[in-house]
Amino acid sequence: QSVLTQPPSVSAAPGQKVTISCSGSTSNIRGHYVSWYQQLPGTAPKLLIYEDIKRPSGIPDRFSGSKSGTSATLDIIGLQTGDEADYYCGTWDSSLSAGVFGGGTQVTVL
Amino acid sequence: QVQLVESGGGVVQPGRSLRLSCAASGFTFRNHGMHWVRQAPGKGLEWVAVIWYDGGDRYYADSVKGRFTISRDSSKNTLYLQMSSLRAEDTAVYYCARADGTVAPDYWGQGTLVTVS
Repeated sequence: QSVLTQPPSVSAAPGQKVTISCSGSTSNIRGHYVSWYQQLPGTAPKLLIYEDIKRPSGIPDRFSGSKSGTSATLDIIGLQTGDEADYYCGTWDSSLSAGVFGGGTQVTVL
Repeated sequence: QVQLVESGGGVVQPGRSLRLSCAASGFTFRNHGMHWVRQAPGKGLEWVAVIWYDGGDRYYADSVKGRFTISRDSSKNTLYLQMSSLRAEDTAVYYCARADGTVAPDYWGQGTLVTVS
């Protein structure tokens, strides 16, 4: 049972948009920055979004993050077959004094 | 460029100990906190531990508290994870990751597999 709640899977056709939600609480998402990670099959996680909304250099603007209250969202527009991967949200939890991740969301391109 | 290379994984019997290492390069190691994150086969990411840039603070997941110890040697640009009293449920790929200015993991290594059996 993860501290952060994500849908197990989302899917859409190429070119369409998917939205991945990450639900938490006041001790984690509300009070701390959220990061998003992409994990392609058989590889290490890669940072996609940091400080809720920022993209590292090299990450396409098709990926965007947002946050409101105790929830965060990752949007992927113009979906491509190469976007098929698992996506995780992560942040710090001040009540636990620990890092926390969502359970992960598998994105499938139909 | 930032490189993180984990080593030390392998097969170990329950109750035994193992030490993982993470060699860092391409950035000023002493200026960054460092994390260990693990992923059991077919499962999601689980945060394990973090050590502050100066080694002054360390935090652990409840699942490993009292059994695992995170440490660093900035003279060697190396992060460690000493694991003791290992259990079958500790079987996972262990990743080291650099912490950015807000403590969030940014760069990740390729991982090292630990199998407790």
